[in-house]
This record gives sequence, C-alpha cells and structure tokens, in this order.
Amino acid sequence: NAGVTQTPKFQVLKTGQSMTLQCAQDMNHEYMSWYRQDPGMGLRLIHYSVGAGITDQGEVPNGYNVSRSTTEDFPLRLLSAAPSQTSVYFCASSLGQGNEKLFFGSGTQLSVL
Amino acid sequence: DAKTTQPPSMDCAEGRAANLPCNHSTISGNEYVYWYRQIHSQGPQYIIHGLKNNETNEMASLIITEDRKSSTLILPHATLRDTAVYYCIVRVPRTGTYKYIFGTGTRLKVLA
Repeated sequence: NAGVTQTPKFQVLKTGQSMTLQCAQDMNHEYMSWYRQDPGMGLRLIHYSVGAGITDQGEVPNGYNVSRSTTEDFPLRLLSAAPSQTSVYFCASSLGQGNEKLFFGSGTQLSVL
Repeated sequence: DAKTTQPPSMDCAEGRAANLPCNHSTISGNEYVYWYRQIHSQGPQYIIHGLKNNETNEMASLIITEDRKSSTLILPHATLRDTAVYYCIVRVPRTGTYKYIFGTGTRLKVLA
C-alpha cells in the first residue's frame, strides 16, 4: 500500500497562475481532506469530502476549489494563485466511519511569488 | 466548534516522562480528543485518541479529566526521536462524517 500520495512535493508559482495539487489514496477511504500549514497557525482545514461526488468547505476555503469524481482522488485547485497561498499543503484520508484515524500525505510546499 | 490550547514549547530529559497538556474547555459530549505529532516537515502521525476514559497504547497514554475540559498526553520514556510538534485535536461530528480541528501544537524537545 502506498497510503496517501501527494504530488508535486514542491511548486513555485507566479501570482495569478493556476495549478492543481494532486492527492490519491489506495486504502478505499471515504473521507478525504486538505489542510494548509502556516508558521504558528497549526493545520487549518480547507475542504473535505465524505465520498465521491460530495465535497464541503472547511475553515479557510476561499481561493481553492475541489472535486471528488472517484473515491481514490481528491485534487485541490488554485484558480488564481496569490502570495497569501504560500504554504505547506497536506492531504489526509480516513475510512470515514466511527472511530478511525487520519492518514496524512507527505505534503506539498507551495510558494507563490 | 471546540478549540484546543497548548503551550508552544516544552523540554524533556531523555528517559523521563513527557507530559503534554491540552485545554479544550468548549468540547461537547460526543467530540473525541486526538493527538498527532509531526516530525520535521513530514505529514502528521497518529498517536492516540479518546472520549472520556483514559487510554494507553504502545506509544503513549492519554489522560482526560472528568469534566473533559482538558487532557494530557504522556510519553512514558521520552527518546531523542520523540522530538516533534505535538497536536491536540478535537474531532467534531458533521453529517455523515467528522471534522478535525487542529490547535497550534507544542514543540517538544527531548534533551540528551
């Protein structure tokens, strides 16, 4: 099992550019989510999904779009990148039922110039 | 949503117990407390979780006060590899799923 796989590991964008951060899991998890991590801020929830075709907003959704066309994939889209979106992004998944734990990917470090 | 408060940093001598506190005074009755840790810039790693009873596993113990307003993570014999940022998290039920609310974490440094 690969677990939760995020690509790319590093990315540099110019303001206004668009890009997609990829997240895939091979554990048949229903729940998937995206977090951003900024110094001194802990992890903040951006968007989450409880299954294919279902997504919802977290604490800081502005500037980000998501979709969930399959159980395995949960991409995060930045339509027009801003310097405020410079951060480390983590994808996480879980079974989505009952008393289970989150599995995290290794993160994507994004810089927006 | 319930929020957590943790001290920003702590030191612990190698071989001694590390006791990491967390306040979650607004927690509701059906919200679990989870602990994760993050080593360097890796993805957070699960440690333990509980609702109201104390819990123990191979990594740590979790002590939750009777009123559930605070908890303590105990690493019984800290090693240098336990140096990390430790997050206390409240898991909030949502329709059909859960939302995990992270605090800002405690940076634990284990000293040789």
